[in-house]
Parts: sequence; C-alpha cells; structure tokens
Amino acid sequence: GENVEQHPSTLSVQEGDSAVIKCTYSDSASNYFPWYKQELGKGPQLIIDIRSNVGEKKDQRIAVTLNKTAKHFSLHITETQPEDSAVYFCAVSGYSTLTFGKGTMLLVSP
Amino acid sequence: DAGVIQSPRHEVTEMGQEVTLRCKPISGHNSLFWYRQTMMRGLELLIYFNNNVPIDDSGMPEDRFSAKMPNASFSTLKIQPSEPRDSAVYFCASSRDSDNSPLHFGNGTRLTVT
Repeated sequence: GENVEQHPSTLSVQEGDSAVIKCTYSDSASNYFPWYKQELGKGPQLIIDIRSNVGEKKDQRIAVTLNKTAKHFSLHITETQPEDSAVYFCAVSGYSTLTFGKGTMLLVSP
Repeated sequence: DAGVIQSPRHEVTEMGQEVTLRCKPISGHNSLFWYRQTMMRGLELLIYFNNNVPIDDSGMPEDRFSAKMPNASFSTLKIQPSEPRDSAVYFCASSRDSDNSPLHFGNGTRLTVT
C-alpha cells in the first residue's frame, strides 16, 4: 500500500516568517494530494489540494508544490500568523482512499 | 450546510461495554468514511461506504468493530466489547465521491475506555 512520510513533526516559527512542510510518497500512480489543517478539538479541514497534472497551486498565503518525479510535495505558508498554529496533515491517493501523513504541529509565536 | 455531525462528542465507558458512535454525513455526499486517530498511529481508515454499501473494511481492527449505514443520512460504528486500547478519537467524514473528492470531517468522538 501507499506509504506517506511527513516532516518535520513539529515546527516553531515567529509570526511573519514562512513555514514549509514536506511529504514524500511511495506509489507513483498517486494523483491527488490534499493538505488538511486540524485545530484542537476539531476534525481535519481541507485547506488546499493539488492534482498530478499541476506542479504548483496557490491560495493567498498558502501554496503547494508537487514534484512527481521525486514523489514529494510541500506546503508553504507565508507571512504566518498565530491563528495558523495547528496540526497539518498531508494526504495522498491514487485510485483508492486517502493515506495520511503523521502530521506536523505548527506553532506560530507572536 | 451543517457539515458532518457526530455524536456523542465524548464517551467514557468501562471495558467490556458496548459503544455506539453515530454520524450524519453532508446531504448529497455519496461516500462516508470512519477514521480513528491516535498519537501513535495517526489517522487510520477503518471502513468506507459508497452509496450506503461497505466497500473496504480492511482497516477494521477486529471483529469487535462493526459499522452500518442503513440509509444515506446515517451511519454507526459499534465496538462490542470495548477495550482500553480502543481509546482514541473517532472521526466520520463524507465526500461527493470515493475517488479523489475532498473529505469533509466531523468534529469527532473522543472515546475513553477504562
């Protein structure tokens, strides 16, 4: 089955800095790569996703880049704010269900 | 849109008792998923349904776990008998389709088995 590795497990940044979270996957047939944000006491919420026919996608301060050859993709958050503090999960799927990474706890300090 | 609704939010029970978790998916969504979240194992898919039919239950850990979806607006996950190692947060999620459609998660049920 699919294997998804996510790094780092924790990330601390100062408000205004950029944050980058990286994921690698094993199945070259995978073609859908979403990112989820989970706040305390809530379920994961989709923040951005990318499909395999696109190398980069941006939505305001959030962007995702995909390198299919190397089988890795990254989440970039610019101008971080304290409300960005949460756990972020990458996920991968091909022709089946999503496989999630283990998560990154992002802490943005004022 | 009310989102995915799960109940109860918290459940504390004693080992050996039966536990039933409930989920109402978003109206119009064809697929429903049950996940379990723990610190050690992260988010694990237990089972998913498409058009009320169970498609893949390979993630259900043991025969003590069972799930049903009697209609498009309701699903249950049952654990009988419960054990302390079942303690986790259980999430229900729904999507329009099972293939590469965004998942919408509920806020979960935190289960503690003592």
